[in-house]
Amino acid sequence: AQSVTQLDSQVPVFEEAPVELRCNYSSSVSVYLFWYVQYPNQGLQLLLKYLSGSTLVKGINGFEAEFNKSQTSFHLRKPSVHISDTAEYFCAVSDVANQAGTALIFGKGTTLSVSS
Amino acid sequence: DGGITQSPKYLFRKEGQNVTLSCEQNLNHDAMYWYRQDPGQGLRLIYYSQIVNDFQKGDIAEGYSVSREKKESFPLTVTSAQKNPTAFYLCASSIAVPSEQYFGPGTRLTVT
Repeated sequence: AQSVTQLDSQVPVFEEAPVELRCNYSSSVSVYLFWYVQYPNQGLQLLLKYLSGSTLVKGINGFEAEFNKSQTSFHLRKPSVHISDTAEYFCAVSDVANQAGTALIFGKGTTLSVSS
Repeated sequence: DGGITQSPKYLFRKEGQNVTLSCEQNLNHDAMYWYRQDPGQGLRLIYYSQIVNDFQKGDIAEGYSVSREKKESFPLTVTSAQKNPTAFYLCASSIAVPSEQYFGPGTRLTVT
C-alpha cells in the first residue's frame, strides 16, 4: 500500500532564508502528488500539484516542488520565506490507477516556523 | 462563491451523546470525504462517498456513521461508541477519484 513520509516534523527558519520541506512516497507506480498548507484552526489549502509533464511544479505563495521519480520524492521549496508562511504543510499522494480507493494518502505534516 | 462549508466551527458535547457534523459543498463535486486530525498524526480517513447513496469506510470508521442523500451534503455522526471523539474534523470534496481534494474550514469537537 502507498505511504507518505515527511522527513521533518518541524522546520524552524529565519525570515528571508530558503527552505525545503521533504516528502517521500513508497510506491513507484504512476502517482499524482500534492502539497497542502494548513494555518491554525483552518482547513487545508492546495499549494501545488503534480499530475504529469514538467517535474518542476510552481504553486501559490512562491512555493515550488520537484518530482523525482527515481527517488520517489516530491520536496517543497521556497527561496525566501516570510513570517506569514508559518503553518503546517502536508504532502499527499494518489495512485493514478486508484479509481475506487481513498484517493489521497497524507503524510503526518511538517510544521514550518518562521522567525525574524 | 463556490466552496465547502462546515458547521459549527466549535462543538461541545457530553460523553455518551451522539453528535452530527454538517458538511455542504456547492462545487458540484461527486466525491466527498471525512477526515479526523489529531496533533502529530496527520489526516486519517473516516468515510468517503463517490456518489449519492453510496459510501465506504475509511481507515478509522468505527464509532462513526454517514449518509449521502444529496450530492451537496455529507453529514458525519459521531456516536457514543467512538472511544476518543475529541478531535478536529475536516470535510473535503473532489471532482473525481483520484483528484485533488478541496477542504472545508473544519469543526473542532470537544467531548467531556
